[in-house]
Amino acid sequence: AQRVTQPEKLLSVFKGAPVELKCNYSYSGSPELFWYVQYSRQRLQLLLRHISRESIKGFTADLNKGETSFHLKKPFAQEEDSAMYYCALSGRGTSGSRLTFGEGTQLTVNP
Amino acid sequence: NAGVTQTPKFQVLKTGQSMTLQCAQDMNHEYMSWYRQDPGMGLRLIHYSVGAGITDQGEVPNGYNVSRSTTEDFPLRLLSAAPSQTSVYFCASSSHSFSGANVLTFGAGSRLTVL
Repeated sequence: AQRVTQPEKLLSVFKGAPVELKCNYSYSGSPELFWYVQYSRQRLQLLLRHISRESIKGFTADLNKGETSFHLKKPFAQEEDSAMYYCALSGRGTSGSRLTFGEGTQLTVNP
Repeated sequence: NAGVTQTPKFQVLKTGQSMTLQCAQDMNHEYMSWYRQDPGMGLRLIHYSVGAGITDQGEVPNGYNVSRSTTEDFPLRLLSAAPSQTSVYFCASSSHSFSGANVLTFGAGSRLTVL
């Protein structure tokens, strides 16, 4: 079975402060991990995926297989980063598009 | 190119009523799926389809039916609505692959309230 856990339902930081959204997963094989974001009154959309190893809007995430984590980080938060963030996992061998999502973290960046 | 279109955006039902949430995509995606979004529980997969004529259950399929007669459409049916089905429902699609995960394109969501 595959599972994704986001331990923080709410996270509040000030503008310019570093931010880290935690994601832990359990999966017996080799997973693919994603971060999706939902801004207010917008559709859920992909933020980044671990295989791309890219930085999007200043966010990065590193897959740590030893700790089974995929934390999302940004060194200097901006007010426009306020949104709901979901970590998601796809297990190889299943339908590649079938994602398991975490509970979500609502990030608020205060001015 | 409209992407993924869901209708209706809002619906109020009484317990026991039936209804269908519509989902259509114009990207020729093989994979389509339905999720429900509940506070503190994230998105949970209800049903999915890897192509026309093929459907399968997700994590929380009870109380819901789906069919996939065309590539474009993937309706979700509530046969006898219950208050526990009050939620926001998202349809999502992607190209299909068993060898690697593909990015999901989401609809705008349908907010359902069951009284």
